[in-house]
Amino acid sequence: SQQGEEDPQALSIQEGENATMNCSYKTSINNLQWYRQNSGRGLVHLILIRSNEREKHSGRLRVTLDTSKKSSSLLITASRAADTASYFCATVRDSGGSNYKLTFGKGTLLTVNP
Amino acid sequence: GAGVSQSPSNKVTEKGKDVELRCDPISGHTALYWYRQSLGQGLEFLIYFQGNSAPDKSGLPSDRFSAERTGGSVSTLTIQRTQQEDSAVYLCASRRDLNRETQYFGPGTRLLVL
Repeated sequence: SQQGEEDPQALSIQEGENATMNCSYKTSINNLQWYRQNSGRGLVHLILIRSNEREKHSGRLRVTLDTSKKSSSLLITASRAADTASYFCATVRDSGGSNYKLTFGKGTLLTVNP
Repeated sequence: GAGVSQSPSNKVTEKGKDVELRCDPISGHTALYWYRQSLGQGLEFLIYFQGNSAPDKSGLPSDRFSAERTGGSVSTLTIQRTQQEDSAVYLCASRRDLNRETQYFGPGTRLLVL
């Protein structure tokens, strides 16, 4: 079952603008990850933030995590047309063990117009 | 090095037929996952392998679905007596070991059941 909900479902911006996507989840987590998917095929891992972290940066990506609100945001700065893709958040539950299976949100379709 | 590969890329089958989907994980990765992505249900976990054993099969939707992994490497997902609702993209992912959280996804197999 889906744990996360992303909003917005779709986002259209101009090249150079920043894009912000949000994700909410329901259970306690070990970590939260963001993935990117082009054309409905393979997922590419972007960034992982652990439950004891509040913010993380990787290149043009900035992720925040608020465990009290059970929410995360992904910011892509200075967007490019090549950033056009679907973006998914995925959580790993804090249930112990080494399963690390991912529970995905519904995704945000980002379109960056040249 | 090579990433996760899946075959076939696309599969069209008739309702009631059996299908086999293959996943070759990254060499040396001990954990392997199958996920399914469909329009109605989004991205869902199916099964998790650690080595050749499957400690978590909780996501398999029915007893028509089964999977095995041999030699701690290649995995096959089998769907018997396919139904139209089985149409989806089946994604495989692998993870290095118990202490590595990032999953690496293959390009997926797009299954269409007519």
